[in-house]
Amino acid sequence: QSVLTQPPSASGTPGQRVTISCSGSSSNIGNNNVFWYQQLPGTAPKLLIYKNIQRPSGVPDRFSGSKSGTSASLAISGLRSEDEADYYCATWDDSLRGRVFGGGTKLTVL
Amino acid sequence: QVQLQESGPGLVKPSGTLSLTCAVSGGSISSSNWWSWVRQPPGKGLEWIGEIFHGGSSNYNPSLKSRVTISVDKSNNHFSLKLSSVTAADTAVYYCARETATADYGMDVWGQGTTVTVSS
Repeated sequence: QSVLTQPPSASGTPGQRVTISCSGSSSNIGNNNVFWYQQLPGTAPKLLIYKNIQRPSGVPDRFSGSKSGTSASLAISGLRSEDEADYYCATWDDSLRGRVFGGGTKLTVL
Repeated sequence: QVQLQESGPGLVKPSGTLSLTCAVSGGSISSSNWWSWVRQPPGKGLEWIGEIFHGGSSNYNPSLKSRVTISVDKSNNHFSLKLSSVTAADTAVYYCARETATADYGMDVWGQGTTVTVSS
């Protein structure tokens, strides 16, 4: 059971906008920056978002992050079939004194 | 372009010690980055194991702390993971990753992962 809660699944059709939520607490999201990772089937995770809203070079602007209080969200607009993957939020937890991942959300493009 | 490559035994006996190495190429392990280990049990999510800085500072997942040691070998430009007293629950794909200061210590470079099975 992760300290960061994500919905296990999400879905959308091509071109749609999908949002994935990540809920935490004051000891993690509420006091630290959030990261988002994309894991395509059979591959290593890839950094999508850092510092809540920033995209590394090469990540399309279709991906955007936000944070409010103890929750964060990842939005994917103009959904494409290649976006079908598992998405994980992550942050630092002050109480645990370590990094934590959400349980992951499996995104299906219908 | 920094690249990471995990190596180590793919099979470990129960109660034994899992030992993996992550070779860093294309850059120095002594740069301003932290270096992490993350694992993923079959069909499950990501679990952070711990991290180390080249100076020796480290942080560990509290649930694994009593069994984990992460170390750095600056002369060979690699870092290592040791996990003792393993059980079947430690069967997973193990990834090493770089936490870069330029991305707020997000994990921007990952190894391809290595599968470790705990079985007699």
